[in-house]
Amino acid sequence: EPEVTQTPSHQVTQMGQEVILRCVPISNHLYFYWYRQILGQKVEFLVSFYNNEISEKSEIFDDQFSVERPDGSNFTLKIRSTKLEDSAMYFCASRQGTGGGQETQYFGPGTRLLVL
Amino acid sequence: KNEVEQSPQNLTAQEGEFITINCSYSVGISALHWLQQHPGGGIVSLFMLSSGKKKHGRLIATINIQEKHSSLHITASHPRDSAVYICAVPHNTDKLIFGTGTRLQVFP
Repeated sequence: EPEVTQTPSHQVTQMGQEVILRCVPISNHLYFYWYRQILGQKVEFLVSFYNNEISEKSEIFDDQFSVERPDGSNFTLKIRSTKLEDSAMYFCASRQGTGGGQETQYFGPGTRLLVL
Repeated sequence: KNEVEQSPQNLTAQEGEFITINCSYSVGISALHWLQQHPGGGIVSLFMLSSGKKKHGRLIATINIQEKHSSLHITASHPRDSAVYICAVPHNTDKLIFGTGTRLQVFP
């Protein structure tokens, strides 16, 4: 069964460093998302992406964050200068694009980011 | 006020018990999603429903759109059902707004 993959599974970085989290959505999907979950808290929406541009972003998604679909298969989340409070599990998700809110989003396994 | 509220926050059960997890939401929605988060952190979609009831194995999800309420039931619970169960609703375009989750532990 097709699945969303994410790399790396874990990343440890120093505060102020740049990190790139990578996702490979399901191949025929058109809508892509990044969510994050701070330890002990609920999952939060970061950004949605369609047709090579951001559809919507949350207040969390400030100028330090960017997303890109560089090659038609990868979908990346870049954090330019990490802060301690960026430590979280980051989930990528995708959906096919035919059903809007009535369509299943498929989640990747997550990347656990720790900023020291 | 949270847009998606779940209860209970924590639930323990003996193997074989019938489990009910509740979700209430305050926004108008086209569908509601139930998700399962494993101890390792991965999220799996269990159900998406916009009316009535859906069943998959021992899991049953119901929704009442007028009352803005959904329930997830597990029949004959098993220790492998231990996980966090999350209710989520699409908002505005289609981003998901998540509840805080219900941590279920089923003991043998």
